[in-house]
Amino acid sequence: QQPVQSPQAVILREGEDAVINCSSSKALYSVHWYRQKHGEAPVFLMILLKGGEQKGHEKISASFNEKKQQSSLYLTASQLSYSGTYFCGTEDTTDKLIFGTGTRLQVFP
Amino acid sequence: EAGVAQSPRYKIIEKRQSVAFWCNPISGHATLYWYQQILGQGPKLLIQFQNNGVVDDSQLPKDRFSAERLKGVDSTLKIQPAKLEDSAVYLCASSLDRGLGGYTFGSGTRLTVV
Repeated sequence: QQPVQSPQAVILREGEDAVINCSSSKALYSVHWYRQKHGEAPVFLMILLKGGEQKGHEKISASFNEKKQQSSLYLTASQLSYSGTYFCGTEDTTDKLIFGTGTRLQVFP
Repeated sequence: EAGVAQSPRYKIIEKRQSVAFWCNPISGHATLYWYQQILGQGPKLLIQFQNNGVVDDSQLPKDRFSAERLKGVDSTLKIQPAKLEDSAVYLCASSLDRGLGGYTFGSGTRLTVV
């Protein structure tokens, strides 16, 4: 089952914060987060493992609630370079990474 | 470190023709994936290799799609015959050890079937 992301789209001014949510109907082993710019390949941001801690990468961090099978990506003090489509990818015990529905983020000056 | 190489970058074919895509993963990455990404959607897994063995191909339309990974390195994905709905970007990715370090994607092949 494909994970569902919310919101579908976000529009921000530089310096504003955003939260992107990812929800799965299956028990998860890990959650990946990727950013894809138009016409380019997805780029890995971070992975969160079951039983692991909240991860951080510069001003981008994420959390993983195993009981709720949910993950959230936090973007703080957004920059123009943050624009793109964000995908979560969820992995259960089958070792398959299933990508979510995507969240399109646009940051304006 | 060299990235994941894919070719061709673009391909336009007529329906019912055949096409092949090539991928060379990052050296040392045992796991290789082919994903199909239709415009506006997330990537959809077609097939996953561990070295030269198939781990999962449950989403691969086997009546028209085939893939192989010879010697556990390069991989080729083929479509024969192509349909209009096969128009998409075909992404190859590779990873170490169950993807614990994330997947590295190639630039993809944009296929247009007319």
